[in-house]
Amino acid sequence: AQRVTQPEKLLSVFKGAPVELKCNYSYSGSPELFWYVQYSRQRLQLLLRHISRESIKGFTADLNKGETSFHLKKPFAQEEDSAMYYCALRSSNTGKLIFGQGTTLQVKP
Amino acid sequence: NAGVTQTPKFQVLKTGQSMTLQCAQDMNHEYMSWYRQDPGMGLRLIHYSVGAGITDQGEVPNGYNVSRSTTEDFPLRLLSAAPSQTSVYFCASSYGGQGRVNEQFFGPGTRLTVL
Repeated sequence: AQRVTQPEKLLSVFKGAPVELKCNYSYSGSPELFWYVQYSRQRLQLLLRHISRESIKGFTADLNKGETSFHLKKPFAQEEDSAMYYCALRSSNTGKLIFGQGTTLQVKP
Repeated sequence: NAGVTQTPKFQVLKTGQSMTLQCAQDMNHEYMSWYRQDPGMGLRLIHYSVGAGITDQGEVPNGYNVSRSTTEDFPLRLLSAAPSQTSVYFCASSYGGQGRVNEQFFGPGTRLTVL
């Protein structure tokens, strides 16, 4: 079964602290993984995708197939990073996108 | 481009009423989908479509119908609303379907309350 698990509902850190948002997945095949972000009063939008191996707004995420994880990391959190973050997995068979439960990141001043 | 648009933004229904949530995109995207967002449950896929005339069920399709008569529009119908359908509904679209890694673009959402 295809599944995405984000174990933390809420992650609260102070400005300047490192951040790691956890994401684990279950998928039989080569996964395509994404992180989406929803800032307050804004639409859900793509943050980054594993295939691009890019850093966006200081965030990176590495696909670890052995641990079936795709954790989102940032070395120094900023207040503007406060948002809801969703990890998502895309099925290469059907194209549908499966989301995790979401983690609210709260960065305190 | 307007991107993905949804109407209405807010709706209150009584149990048993029916209604249609509208979704349209002007980006000529083949793939469209509907999600519901509930606290602690994240985003759950209701129905999706890989092109005009083709639809399929997602994780939570019961109580909802969809159709895709044009590339642009993907309405979601609630046949007989129930309080369990109180949620925020998001429509999304992207290029391509199978075998292509593409960004999904989301609409602003419809907040539905069923009394």
